[in-house]
Amino acid sequence: DVKVTQSSRYLVKRTGEKVFLECVQDMDHENMFWYRQDPGLGLRLIYFSYDVKMKEKGDIPEGYSVSREKKERFSLILESASTNQTSMYLCAIGRYSYEQYFGPGTRLTVT
Amino acid sequence: AQTVTQSQPEMSVQEAETVTLSCTYDTSESDYYLFWYKQPPSRQMILVIRQEAYKQQNATENRFSVNFQKAAKSFSLKISDSQLGDAAMYFCAYRSVRAGGTSYGKLTFGQGTILTVHP
Repeated sequence: DVKVTQSSRYLVKRTGEKVFLECVQDMDHENMFWYRQDPGLGLRLIYFSYDVKMKEKGDIPEGYSVSREKKERFSLILESASTNQTSMYLCAIGRYSYEQYFGPGTRLTVT
Repeated sequence: AQTVTQSQPEMSVQEAETVTLSCTYDTSESDYYLFWYKQPPSRQMILVIRQEAYKQQNATENRFSVNFQKAAKSFSLKISDSQLGDAAMYFCAYRSVRAGGTSYGKLTFGQGTILTVHP
């Protein structure tokens, strides 16, 4: 079974804090993705990575950065959290095959 | 840029009945993949079914089937013999065939449809 884990299911942070969301895979897939999910908007791509230390902006990268130092680990960083970053964050992995496999998600609340 | 639209925010169905979820998309590409993903209340997103645009035959996976109309850019999901476990948010998604450049397997999602199954 494909396993994609995320560091936390629920997270509460204060405005201005630096927030790290971590995603770990056990499948040796090249591509890793960070999405945010909001009601009525579906999933929107924040950043993705196609190799170690390689990254590309997605559709909504503003306010976020990422890090991929090892193939199995992809981190999403909120440098200074804001209330409009309250959302569900989903990590996904994929190879040059069809589908992506998703982690369980992190519900982030910024107060 | 590609867009995916799910015009039904919510749908409901009686157990054992059939329901169809709608999805339309916009693209200038001729080859691509389409997917339906299911997100149960536990939140783990799982793949339900996929369709390659070059294939004319509609994909089927057990009780799940699609109606793929390429010219109309329509990709609906039919769930037959609905079960309580089918209750979830369903997302339609598009992926370009091109593997390089800025696509790298990026998925473009619709807004989602919440499916309720009544016993």
